[in-house]
Amino acid sequence: AIQMTQSPSSLSASVGDRVTITCRASQGIGNDLGWYQQKPGKAPKLLIYDASILQSGVPSRFSGSGSGTDFTLTISSLQPEDFATFYCLQDYSYPLTFGGGTAVEIK
Amino acid sequence: QLQLQESGPGLVKPSETLSLTCTVSGASTGSSSYHWGWIRQPPGKGLEWIGSGSYTGTTHYNPSLTSRVTISVDTSKNQFSLKLSSVSAADTAVYYCARRGLRPERFDYWGQGTLVTVSS
Repeated sequence: AIQMTQSPSSLSASVGDRVTITCRASQGIGNDLGWYQQKPGKAPKLLIYDASILQSGVPSRFSGSGSGTDFTLTISSLQPEDFATFYCLQDYSYPLTFGGGTAVEIK
Repeated sequence: QLQLQESGPGLVKPSETLSLTCTVSGASTGSSSYHWGWIRQPPGKGLEWIGSGSYTGTTHYNPSLTSRVTISVDTSKNQFSLKLSSVSAADTAVYYCARRGLRPERFDYWGQGTLVTVSS
């Protein structure tokens, strides 16, 4: 199975900060990667698919990049509603595998 | 408006079978453009993909669960289901159902999740 390693596992940031989360795959996955946001007690929400395509309705401050084994989720200016846990998911091959998650907390 | 809703017992005894159903509204489980999946999250932990299935009977399962899991799609009821046998406390989790779009692949709609506790 392809392993997805996310970093950092948690971070503290202030409103307005630029935030970057990375995800590394144990083997090349092309651009078959999605990013999901999960708030406490809620289901995950799709933010980005195919590594860089913004899901409809998601604010443009979210962006994704990367291909192969290294991927990045960037929040250009952190907003109060963005505090949550973020997960990457590789869609390249079965079994589908999630990263361990990155908790974004208020500084 | 597309909605998915999980239903099933919130408490299952060890060694028994966990059974959940996901009812879909606003889309057809008989569409060739989608698979239907289950993901779980133990309390305080991360997400784990359980498996996915389609109306054709095609299924894909997590190898860590494959001997115990069955996913099926019922187009007549516009539902899909999860059965996980021989459960233990390690199977206690919030279980989510979700629609997986194909080409491009992504889980674009999710149910709200249902907590299943395994305990005697």
